[in-house]
Amino acid sequence: EPEVTQTPSHQVTQMGQEVILRCVPISNHLYFYWYRQILGQKVEFLVSFYNNEISEKSEIFDDQFSVERPDGSNFTLKIRSTKLEDSAMYFCASSETPPASVAFFGQGTRLTVV
Amino acid sequence: AQKVTQAQTEISVVEKEDVTLDCVYETRDTTYYLFWYKQPPSGELVFLIRRNSFDEQNEISGRYSWNFQKSTSSFNFTITASQVVDSAVYFCALNSNSGYALNFGKGTSLLVTP
Repeated sequence: EPEVTQTPSHQVTQMGQEVILRCVPISNHLYFYWYRQILGQKVEFLVSFYNNEISEKSEIFDDQFSVERPDGSNFTLKIRSTKLEDSAMYFCASSETPPASVAFFGQGTRLTVV
Repeated sequence: AQKVTQAQTEISVVEKEDVTLDCVYETRDTTYYLFWYKQPPSGELVFLIRRNSFDEQNEISGRYSWNFQKSTSSFNFTITASQVVDSAVYFCALNSNSGYALNFGKGTSLLVTP
């Protein structure tokens, strides 16, 4: 069964460093997303991406965040200068056509900023 | 604005008991989609069910059942004869034609003890 895969599963980084989280969406899906979940809290939408551009973003997705589809299979989230409060689980998801289509999530990347 | 409320933060039951997880939603859109996701202790988000606003038929899948009532804006989830493996955090989520983002509730943590 096709699935969304994320790497790495866990990343520890120092405050102020740049991190790149990677995702391989399901191959026939057209829409890609990043969500984050601060420990013990709800899952929050960050950004959606379609046809090589951002289709929607939340107020959390400020200038320190960027997304890219560098090739035909990968989808990345870059955080330019990490802060302690960026520590969270980051989920990548993909779907066919929203809002009706189901978003399937990857297993997540646990980002710890120290 | 859209909102999903899961008023039950934590529920603890003994194995084989039935348990209902409540979900109440708010939206001004006439076309919308409701979802349940399961987050086991391993952390991934697993899709369980999708319902659209035009289909109020209840659904049963094995020990799982869902009760969608537009009159009360609720989409409740019942697990019959609960098992230890059902222990997880369960999220209700809402999407509509007004955007790409899934709006999640805060989740209900279910603990099933032997």
